[in-house]
Amino acid sequence: SQQGEEDPQALSIQEGENATMNCSYKTSINNLQWYRQNSGRGLVHLILIRSNEREKHSGRLRVTLDTSKKSSSLLITASRAADTASYFCATDGDTGGFKTIFGAGTRLFVKA
Amino acid sequence: GAVVSQHPSRVICKSGTSVKIECRSLDFQATTMFWYRQFPKQSLMLMATSNEGSKATYEQGVEKDKFLINHASLTLSTLTVTSAHPEDSSFYICSASPNTDTQYFGPGTRLTVL
Repeated sequence: SQQGEEDPQALSIQEGENATMNCSYKTSINNLQWYRQNSGRGLVHLILIRSNEREKHSGRLRVTLDTSKKSSSLLITASRAADTASYFCATDGDTGGFKTIFGAGTRLFVKA
Repeated sequence: GAVVSQHPSRVICKSGTSVKIECRSLDFQATTMFWYRQFPKQSLMLMATSNEGSKATYEQGVEKDKFLINHASLTLSTLTVTSAHPEDSSFYICSASPNTDTQYFGPGTRLTVL
């Protein structure tokens, strides 16, 4: 079964607004990653946050991780139409091995 | 940055035929490669983990005789969908890892089985 579950499933905002997506997972993790996927295309890695980190920034992206609640959030500030895509969180699961389990994803639509 | 290619990008085949999809790491050696499938508007489902020179590890529910994986070198893994049926139509994505921290994803292959 999928490890991560995204919330909301779909989000529509105006250009310039901030977009917040949440992800919950079920088991202990070593790290959590966020990816972006444009329709019908491959994945682009956005950011990795380790289990001992609480917050990480990269450009207009801000990721938080709360291991006590088994949740993470991705904030995109000052959104642009080009940010329209699906966003997935992914964790390394609880197998002790190295594999990535993806959540259901949030489809973000930024209106110009 | 690291580049992973997939070939072909799109393939249409008749039911009952076999289709091979290649995944290559172009500028790094990948000890581990992963294969995913993705249905429309859904997430990526891990199918199998492939380590160079050894048998692939398949996820529960994935038929290993249906989806043959060969990781013959540190830069190439292939996924063969044998005796494809319309329900196998999907977007297949590979990823390659040079270490345990990083995965680089290929652009995906859209398979349509008629």
